Amino acid sequence: SQTIHQWPATLVQPVGSPLSLECTVEGTSNPNLYWYRQAAGRGLQLLFYSVGIGQISSEVPQNLSASRPQDRQFILSSKKLLLSDSGFYLCAWSPGQGGSPLHFGNGTRLTVT
Amino acid sequence: GEDVEQSLFLSVREGDSSVINCTYTDSSSTYLYWYKQEPGAGLQLLTYIFSNMDMKQDQRLTVLLNKKDKHLSLRIADTQTGDSAIYFCAERNYGQNFVFGPGTRLSVLP
Repeated sequence: SQTIHQWPATLVQPVGSPLSLECTVEGTSNPNLYWYRQAAGRGLQLLFYSVGIGQISSEVPQNLSASRPQDRQFILSSKKLLLSDSGFYLCAWSPGQGGSPLHFGNGTRLTVT
Repeated sequence: GEDVEQSLFLSVREGDSSVINCTYTDSSSTYLYWYKQEPGAGLQLLTYIFSNMDMKQDQRLTVLLNKKDKHLSLRIADTQTGDSAIYFCAERNYGQNFVFGPGTRLSVLP
C-alpha cells in the first residue's frame, strides 16, 4: 500500500533562517505531488505541484521554492524565512489519473519567531 | 475562476444528524471529495463521488450531489463527539489541481 511521510512534525525557526521540509511517498511511482499551506483556522492554499521529476508549478509568488530531485521526493525550501511563513504545511500526493483523490501527510507546524 | 464555498461553522447534538453543505462553480468538475481534519493532523479522505452520480452512501456517511445547482452535501448520521473536526469539500476538474473550500468546523455537543 502507499504511504506518505512528511517531516519534521513541528519546527520553530527564527526570521531570516533557511527552511527545508521533506516529503516522500512509498508504494507508487510517478505520483503527482503537492505542497499546501494552511494558515491558522483557515482553508488550504496550494503552493506548488509537480507532475514529474524536475517539473514544478508555482501557484503563489512568494519566498518559498520547491524541488523534486527524485520521483517520490518533494522538498519545500526557503532561503530566508519571514514571519508570514508561519503556518501548517501539508504535502499530498495523487496517482494523477482519473478521479484519484489527494492523500495527505500529517503536516508540519512551522512557527517563525 | 473556480471556487468552492462552505459555511464555516456547524453545531449539532450528539446522536443527531449533521448536514454539511458545499457549493462549487466549476461546471467541468469531474469528482467531488469530502475530507476530515482533526486538530493538528493532515486531511483524511472520507469519501468522494463522481459527477455523474447523485448519491453515495458509506456506513454513517451519505453524500448527495445536485449537479444542476452545483451543490454537494455530506450527511453524518448519529453524530458522535469523535466526529468533531473540520470538514473540507473539494472538487477536481480535468486538470491536475484540486480546489478546496474553506472548511466547516463541526462541533458536537453532548
